[in-house]
Amino acid sequence: QKEVEQNSGPLSVPEGAIASLNCTYSDRGSQSFFWYRQYSGKSPELIMSIYSNGDKEDGRFTAQLNKASQYVSLLIRDSQPSDSATYLCAVKADRLAFGKGNQVVVIP
Amino acid sequence: DADVTQTPRNRITKTGKRIMLECSQTKGHDRMYWYRQDPGLGLRLIYYSFDVKDINKGEISDGYSVSRQAQAKFSLSLESAIPNQTALYFCATSGGRGEQFFGPGTRLTVL
Repeated sequence: QKEVEQNSGPLSVPEGAIASLNCTYSDRGSQSFFWYRQYSGKSPELIMSIYSNGDKEDGRFTAQLNKASQYVSLLIRDSQPSDSATYLCAVKADRLAFGKGNQVVVIP
Repeated sequence: DADVTQTPRNRITKTGKRIMLECSQTKGHDRMYWYRQDPGLGLRLIYYSFDVKDINKGEISDGYSVSRQAQAKFSLSLESAIPNQTALYFCATSGGRGEQFFGPGTRLTVL
């Protein structure tokens, strides 16, 4: 089982809609959870951190963590073309493990 | 100024050449990392260092070596470059809760 799994395939959303990304992880001892945004050819940029169960909101982004079910999600509200990027989920137990990412395409 | 810098940003070299990629940071972090990223394979950890005297291999260290010259500097070397080392290379530093901050990357092409 992979340490961090993100559902495959690009996600296409209309401008103004909500984009929803999910991530599952295997290590129940994981304590820190992060979402990164990566534009093509650029470096990953940290956009959200979450450490306890529940929701955390920052602007148009909401991260949701459910440790019992071992998943973390990211919602992007009012999606904009500038949100078109690959989103990486990262989970830290003894080390930080990254998922392979989900591409989001916002269609104007 | 950027907190994590990498030089060079782009490099084209030939098979068998020795290449050094450099990373500097002003974030004051002790922990530094080198990754490579290939299409479809995600980020893969090459080496990491928790302080100047502590260097550890990651999941794909073969063909690479590193040097931690100071808290702020961490260099990656390819002793004899080969074409399958063509990739995007990132340096990162780590904060107190495990979050990592990435440099802008080096695009390396080995012909």
